[in-house]
Amino acid sequence: KQEVTQIPAALSVPEGENLVLNCSFTDSAIYNLQWFRQDPGKGLTSLLLIQSSQREQTSGRLNASLDKSSGRSTLYIAASQPGDSATYLCAVSGTNFGNEKLTFGTGTRLTIIP
Amino acid sequence: DGGITQSPKYLFRKEGQNVTLSCEQNLNHDAMYWYRQDPGQGLRLIYYSQIVNDFQKGDIAEGYSVSREKKESFPLTVTSAQKNPTAFYLCASRTTGLAYGYTFGSGTRLTVV
Repeated sequence: KQEVTQIPAALSVPEGENLVLNCSFTDSAIYNLQWFRQDPGKGLTSLLLIQSSQREQTSGRLNASLDKSSGRSTLYIAASQPGDSATYLCAVSGTNFGNEKLTFGTGTRLTIIP
Repeated sequence: DGGITQSPKYLFRKEGQNVTLSCEQNLNHDAMYWYRQDPGQGLRLIYYSQIVNDFQKGDIAEGYSVSREKKESFPLTVTSAQKNPTAFYLCASRTTGLAYGYTFGSGTRLTVV
């Protein structure tokens, strides 16, 4: 059974700093990994999707990497801003085509201190 | 703009009642999903559907039911058999195929009163 872990559960950093969020998964036979952002009481906003054959994806100040063999992904946020404060979730897709589903971590709650 | 609409945003259920959560998408996505989110836990899959008139149970389907009569719509009914229904419910959709990611709605918060 796939398990996804995100450490730390919470992180506070001063504005302007670069930071890294971590995600690990137990079964390396994934098809893709997706990073989401969730604001309090809101739905999930997709940030980046990495296919299993890819090593990284970039969007603006965000960069996500994937090391499938070691079961790890990182989300790098450059020059953090107060608006980046949110919970960040990673999720991996299942292994059976046509029956895929997402398995989520419990998230990292990020606070950017002005 | 295309997206997923969930309604209502807040829902209150009395003991013994069935309630239905709405999920509509105009993204022309084939697959739709219902997840439940509880504090301190990851999202858990309730039901999913990959084509009209077909759906499968997820990890926590007991006490829930769904239908998929139209491609755009995937309503979730929380029945009285669900003993702990208070949670945040999220609907998602995607184009079938492993290269595509998921799009989520804004959620419905269900509270038992």
